[in-house]
Amino acid sequence: SQQGEEDPQALSIQEGENATMNCSYKTSINNLQWYRQNSGRGLVHLILIRSNEREKHSGRLRVTLDTSKKSSSLLITASRAADTASYFCATDGSSNTGKLIFGQGTTLQVKP
Amino acid sequence: GAGVSQSPSNKVTEKGKDVELRCDPISGHTALYWYRQSLGQGLEFLIYFQGNSAPDKSGLPSDRFSAERTGGSVSTLTIQRTQQEDSAVYLCASSLQAGDYEQYFGPGTRLTVT
Repeated sequence: SQQGEEDPQALSIQEGENATMNCSYKTSINNLQWYRQNSGRGLVHLILIRSNEREKHSGRLRVTLDTSKKSSSLLITASRAADTASYFCATDGSSNTGKLIFGQGTTLQVKP
Repeated sequence: GAGVSQSPSNKVTEKGKDVELRCDPISGHTALYWYRQSLGQGLEFLIYFQGNSAPDKSGLPSDRFSAERTGGSVSTLTIQRTQQEDSAVYLCASSLQAGDYEQYFGPGTRLTVT
């Protein structure tokens, strides 16, 4: 079963704009991860944020985590056409086994 | 270095046949995970292996599904008596250890049961 919801389900923006995706989850967690998927195949790891962290950056990506609200957001700044993909959040559901529970994903389209 | 590889990339099989899907994890990664992605169910955890410990099979949808990992490296996911609802993309991932580590995914095997 899905851990949580991602919002929005689909997002279409122009190149250069920022894209924000949100993820909510239901149980306590050890960490939350964001992945990107192109063309419905393999997933690429973007960022892992631990439950005691509030914000993390990686290049044009910024992830925030609010454990009190059980939510996270992924911000992509200065988007590019190559950022077009599906983005998933995943949590380990506090098991600390790495068994990931994925959200439903946000489909991002960046128009050139 | 080499990433996670999976074979075959596509598999079409008739209902009732058995299939084997293979995963080669990144060398040195002790944890290996299988997930399934289908339109109706999204991304679901199936099973994971950590070192020589007994696998966690809690995500397997039925006893037609099984997996093994030989020598702590290559893993095979077997689906017996395939059904149409087994059609999905099967993804394998590995990580340095189970737990608080990023997972590296393979390209997946697209299984179609006709």
